[in-house]
This record gives sequence, structure tokens and C-alpha cells, in this order.
Amino acid sequence: EDKVVQSPLSLVVHEGDTVTLNCSYEVTNFRSLLWYKQEKKAPTFLFMLTSSGIEKKSGRLSSILDKKELFSILNITATQTGDSAVYLCAVSPMNRDDKIIFGKGTRLHILP
Amino acid sequence: DSGVTQTPKHLITATGQRVTLRCSPRSGDLSVYWYQQSLDQGLQFLIQYYNGEERAKGNILERFSAQQFPDLHSELNLSSLELGDSALYFCASSPRTSGNTGELFFGEGSRLTVL
Repeated sequence: EDKVVQSPLSLVVHEGDTVTLNCSYEVTNFRSLLWYKQEKKAPTFLFMLTSSGIEKKSGRLSSILDKKELFSILNITATQTGDSAVYLCAVSPMNRDDKIIFGKGTRLHILP
Repeated sequence: DSGVTQTPKHLITATGQRVTLRCSPRSGDLSVYWYQQSLDQGLQFLIQYYNGEERAKGNILERFSAQQFPDLHSELNLSSLELGDSALYFCASSPRTSGNTGELFFGEGSRLTVL
């Protein structure tokens, strides 16, 4: 069964710290890995990764995928209180059906 | 604003009842996904439609059903409600199937409380 496991489940750091969020997965016929940020309600898309070793970057956020070891990390540098959210990792299998499987998320809280 | 509209935003009902949640996808998006989010389970995939046809099914209970109409809006019907069905139900849309973009645009969700 396809699954996504995220760690840690929750994390509290001080503003300015750097954090690394982890996502490991098991999926038949991997197509892509996705990161989303969920603040109050709707998750919003951050990154899609399909190839190993190629870093995706957006401002202070970056992510990389290791398809051999079946994991991805999301880094946030110089954290700000606005980064407080639940970060969701998901995988999209290359199957006939198109379900996207989400992990339970990492709840990140940034202290001022 | 993602462009995905869900109604109602909040719904309180009793066990045994039936409710319908409605979703209007972004203009032009053909794919609609339904997810259930509860505190301890994260985002659970329920079902996906593409241009009116069911494309993928997750762990959707037999008491739940969905459909996508010709105008591409979708409805999720939940019947014989139980306390454990209390959750936030998200609809998401994408231009094509997930294999092409991977990016989903989520609505604000419908919070269902079953008393």
C-alpha cells in the first residue's frame, strides 16, 4: 500500500532558526513528490519534485528528492513567525488512477 | 483565493442524517478531488473525478458517494452519518489529471460536525 511518513510530527523553534522537515515514502511507480503548506484552512502548493538531486528553491524554502532512498527534505532558513503552519508531503503514483497520497504533516511553530 | 469554492463552510447535523457538500472547481479545471481531514488522520483521499468520470477511489466509505456534473461542479454525499464522520472535507481541483501537474488547488473546506 502506498504511504507517506513525515517527521517530526511537530517542531517548535525560534525565529531565525533553520529547520529541516523529512518525508519518506513507499509508492508503486513513483511519479512525483509534492510539498504543501497548510496555515489555517486550505493547503497551498509549494514544490513538485520528480528528479533526484535537483533542488527546488523558493525564497527561504528549498527541497530536494532522493529517489534511491525514497525520501525528501524541506528546508526553511531564517524562519519567521509567518512560517508557522502544517507542512504536508504527498506523492503522486504513476498509476492508471490519479490519487495523491498525503502524509500526516509536520506542525511547525515559530516562536518570536 | 485558490478559485475553488466549497459550500457550506460549516455544517452541524445529527447522527443518522444525510448531507451534501458542494464544490465548484477553478474555471477550466477538469479534475476534482475530495479529501477528508481529521485531527489524527491527516488528509485522507476519498475520490477523484475527471471531466465527469470517476478516475480514482481511496478509502471512501460505502455510505459516501460523489459525482461530477456536466458543468464540472462536484457534490459529495454523506449518509447515515456517524460521530466519526466529523471532519474537515476538502475539495481540490487541477487542470488535468495529477500526473500532468501534481499541483492541486484546494478550497477552504467544509467543516462537518456530527452530534
